[in-house]
Amino acid sequence: SAVISQKPSRDICQRGTSLTIQCQVDSQVTMMFWYRQQPGQSLTLIATANQGSEATYESGFVIDKFPISRPNLTFSTLTVSNMSPEDSSIYLCSVAGQGGTEAFFGQGTRLTVV
Amino acid sequence: QQPVQSPQAVILREGEDAVINCSSSKALYSVHWYRQKHGEAPVFLMILLKGGEQKGHEKISASFNEKKQQSSLYLTASQLSYSGTYFCGTEMAGSARQLTFGSGTQLTVLP
Repeated sequence: SAVISQKPSRDICQRGTSLTIQCQVDSQVTMMFWYRQQPGQSLTLIATANQGSEATYESGFVIDKFPISRPNLTFSTLTVSNMSPEDSSIYLCSVAGQGGTEAFFGQGTRLTVV
Repeated sequence: QQPVQSPQAVILREGEDAVINCSSSKALYSVHWYRQKHGEAPVFLMILLKGGEQKGHEKISASFNEKKQQSSLYLTASQLSYSGTYFCGTEMAGSARQLTFGSGTQLTVLP
């Protein structure tokens, strides 16, 4: 299993500013995933973060808006840049165990943009 | 491609049963089931691997029909604590282990 610590747990930000979300895992993992959950919606994958290479973004998400860092095998950050109220969501980081095992989620960051 | 989840919502009385379905048009390697309560992160329930495997956890069980790329979650003798939104997350064969989530099923269990 993996224990994921995600910070901050929540924040209220002004539009036009940026917020960096941190995700720390208690073990080394190859891939980390960042998801967004808009109010009342399902989870949508933003990007896959691999250590030592650029993140792979899903359709509809771009690096300029959601830059990701992955400096080592236990840590990643997601930045939400130039925020607007439409960015108000829960952001979750996740790691995958070995094939055939569950994915683990952090507790999420509840972001409100005003 | 997002899996199709049904029903969108269901209301039960305590002790009643429910079935939640999840289907995909893509070949799947696994199906994950999560329950999320309001304001909280999703909580893992179980994972089904291809091969028609059925799993159970207390009064919650699930099946995966590989031929149809469908999974069903069975909630028997529901309890108040079962209330929440249930999501299936599908992992496609050959993917990098990322999940694609269904739209969710809101389950309400009434006393």
